[in-house]
Amino acid sequence: DTEVTQTPKHLVMGMTNKKSLKCEQHMGHRAMYWYKQKAKKPPELMFVYSYEKLSINESVPSRFSPECPNSSLLNLHLHALQPEDSALYLCASSQDQVSNQPQHFGDGTRLSIL
Amino acid sequence: LAKTTQPISMDSYEGQEVNITCSHNNIATNDYITWYQQFPSQGPRFIIQGYKTKVTNEVASLFIPADRKSSTLSLPRVSLSDTAVYYCLVNTGGFKTIFGAGTRLFVKA
Repeated sequence: DTEVTQTPKHLVMGMTNKKSLKCEQHMGHRAMYWYKQKAKKPPELMFVYSYEKLSINESVPSRFSPECPNSSLLNLHLHALQPEDSALYLCASSQDQVSNQPQHFGDGTRLSIL
Repeated sequence: LAKTTQPISMDSYEGQEVNITCSHNNIATNDYITWYQQFPSQGPRFIIQGYKTKVTNEVASLFIPADRKSSTLSLPRVSLSDTAVYYCLVNTGGFKTIFGAGTRLFVKA
């Protein structure tokens, strides 16, 4: 079991659908992250939130829209995705963005785009 | 940003010590070195972190030479359950976290 919970674990959607990925942590962490991981590749950073504000956007296409409603929750809204967006989407959190405390990862949402 | 280079894969046998070396020639003064372990269909798990010299915890040791241009993760007496991908990261806080390609460790009976 991880301290970062991601739902759903699996998601299949069409290219015209709108769906959301959810991430929750109750460790009091103030930095939260979204990563994308393709098969047999390392995770790639997409977004970083620090104290509920977007801190880093790694030039991610606008069809991915992050949201941080409060310090415990992180969402990733999906719209008009492409087949190449199929991947494992990982959420992580850390104490804050400045310190060198390690990141805690959830087990991801495996997304398949039809 | 510091780039890391690791061996793509390694094989070992149960009970052996495994050492995985990571090269990070352009590490910055404020950078820390962090290692994660990832099993299939799971998120990465923190193993160990260090800045210089040697760090040891209940699962691994991390050796960092004085010039900090490389680091070595040491796993004592590996078991089949240690078969995983091991990532070396060099970063300052949560800014621009970049995973290297990782090392696939396969432990055989």
